[in-house]
Formats: sequence, C-alpha cells, structure tokens
Amino acid sequence: ETGVTQSPTHLIKTRGQQVTLRCSSQSGHNTVSWYQQALGQGPQFIFQYYREEENGRGNFPPRFSGLQFPNYSSELNVNALELDDSALYLCASSDRGTSGRETQYFGPGTRLLVL
Amino acid sequence: SQQGEEDPQALSIQEGENATMNCSYKTSINNLQWYRQNSGRGLVHLILIRSNEREKHSGRLRVTLDTSKKSSSLLITASRAADTASYFCATDQGGSEKLVFGKGTKLTVNP
Repeated sequence: ETGVTQSPTHLIKTRGQQVTLRCSSQSGHNTVSWYQQALGQGPQFIFQYYREEENGRGNFPPRFSGLQFPNYSSELNVNALELDDSALYLCASSDRGTSGRETQYFGPGTRLLVL
Repeated sequence: SQQGEEDPQALSIQEGENATMNCSYKTSINNLQWYRQNSGRGLVHLILIRSNEREKHSGRLRVTLDTSKKSSSLLITASRAADTASYFCATDQGGSEKLVFGKGTKLTVNP
C-alpha cells in the first residue's frame, strides 16, 4: 500500500457529462500527478500540481482541469465527456524537494466508463 | 505520445525461470524507473536507475541501463506465480518531473 487513495473506484457517465475524480496524496508529499491509462496502454501524463499550482501539462485538451488543495489532495475534472475518455485514471504523489523525489507513488485508480 | 517501448509485449514462463524484459526510449533522461501493475490496478514502484548508473539490484530484480543505446532491461530471477503482472518502464524527460511510460510487458508465470 502506498498511502495514496482515490475515489470513486468506478464511475459510469454518459457522453457530454462532467466528472470529478479525487486523490489524497501520501502523507508528507507535496506533489500530485494525474495519468490516464487506456486499455492495453501505458499511463499518459495529464498534468502535475505542486503547492496548488499546475506544474507541467501533457497533451490533453483544456476540458481536463485540476486543483490541488492546501492539504495537497487533488481533483481531476473532465468536462464534456467523450467516449475516448473511458480509461483508468491514476493519481501519483511525490515529495518534490527531497532526494528520491523522482519516485512517484500511485493510487489504485478510478475506472471511468463513458457511454 | 509514449517515450518507451517494452519488448516483448507478452511473456509466459514457468515458475522458477528467469524473466527478462527490455525497454527502449528516445530522448535523454535523468533516470529510468520500472513499475509493476496487477490487473489494471495501481502501479507499484520497483526500482529506479539513474543515467550515470549501469546496473542496479533489488532482491530478485536486476536492472541494467545503456544510455548509449537508450535501452534498459529488467531481469526477474527465480520467478513466482505472484510475479504475474504487467511491467512498465518510465522515464523522465531531461529534468521534467512527468513520467513517460511505455506500453508494458505482460508477464505470466505459470505454477
């Protein structure tokens, strides 16, 4: 167990709807990264938050947005859902500013199905 | 886009045998990491090797890195049924803190 938790575990939405996924980082970690993993593929970087600011973004449209809170927990919001948004969404926390910060600790993921 | 490519895509072996998985990447890196994923669940960090290291061990795992060939290998010795999982290599991108993953190798260890 990494200490990173995500909610909900599973979610079904319809095309056009909006969704919010949540992540609690490991105690002491100040950085949260979000990844999308389509079936049979490796995770793809969506964005990273450090001290409540976005710190890098992958090749995802603006309808993917996020937040990080003062306690370092985070939300991923996706607007105007499309069928291709169906995937496992993974949150990972790390401790920027210390050696070994490159290691990211992943939560169990939220599986989103868009119908 | 994905940085790395794991090879083979799938590997099936008997318990007790060794499993070797390879990873190639495209751009310069500071480090390369290997992760394991069981049945579409969260990823578990296995080992990190820095660009100035050539080999690293952790228990039954041995990782090598050849920066001139932009490739890495993960060796699992004396495999067990519990090692059945997908294995991914992940690289940073020259200082960026985002991880770039390959498509993974699906390992099946038969009892």
